Amino acid sequence: GDSVTQMEGPVTLSEEAFLTINCTYTATGYPSLFWYVQYPGEGLQLLLKATKADDKGSNKGFEATYRKETTSFHLEKGSVQVSDSAVYFCALGMDSSYKLIFGSGTRLLVRP
Amino acid sequence: EAGVAQSPRYKIIEKRQSVAFWCNPISGHATLYWYQQILGQGPKLLIQFQNNGVVDDSQLPKDRFSAERLKGVDSTLKIQPAKLEDSAVYLCASSLADRRRNAEQYFGPGTRLTVT
Repeated sequence: GDSVTQMEGPVTLSEEAFLTINCTYTATGYPSLFWYVQYPGEGLQLLLKATKADDKGSNKGFEATYRKETTSFHLEKGSVQVSDSAVYFCALGMDSSYKLIFGSGTRLLVRP
Repeated sequence: EAGVAQSPRYKIIEKRQSVAFWCNPISGHATLYWYQQILGQGPKLLIQFQNNGVVDDSQLPKDRFSAERLKGVDSTLKIQPAKLEDSAVYLCASSLADRRRNAEQYFGPGTRLTVT
């Protein structure tokens, strides 16, 4: 069945370091791909999305490119801040429904 | 614009007791979702409503879980009787999702359930 695999955390970085969180997917069709973020004590928020191959989603300095050939959607940011500390979830959604399938989440800790 | 509201935020019950969660979606959102998020895992869809009809409840443990969405607005999720493995955060989300594919889902803050 459809699934999402993302790197285990926690990922611990110093402020201004480069961030990569890996995400790969398995799907029978052509899904849309999403990154959601969960800040401490808050609900899930959509961070960025891409709906077709080679699309790049971006928001708040984060970027991810939909790579069909490697079935990946890795999240990157050039310079992280302490305020980026959160749990990041990769997810896919199929066109045939509005259901989202989430990865297990990656906790990011950014130290001053 | 008000977000998705959920209550209660926290609940502690003993196993075999019953519990109910409430969700009020964003006004005008036709689609409502309930997810279960076990500690250390990603959210897993339990049930999806389109207006007041069920679209997908394939992962809902129907022997103990039930959900309804009367009048196509608010929704309640009930567990009866609860088991220890039901300890999780229960998330409600809503989206427009009428003719658009994969419309953005907006999540509530969740209800953290602890079963002892």
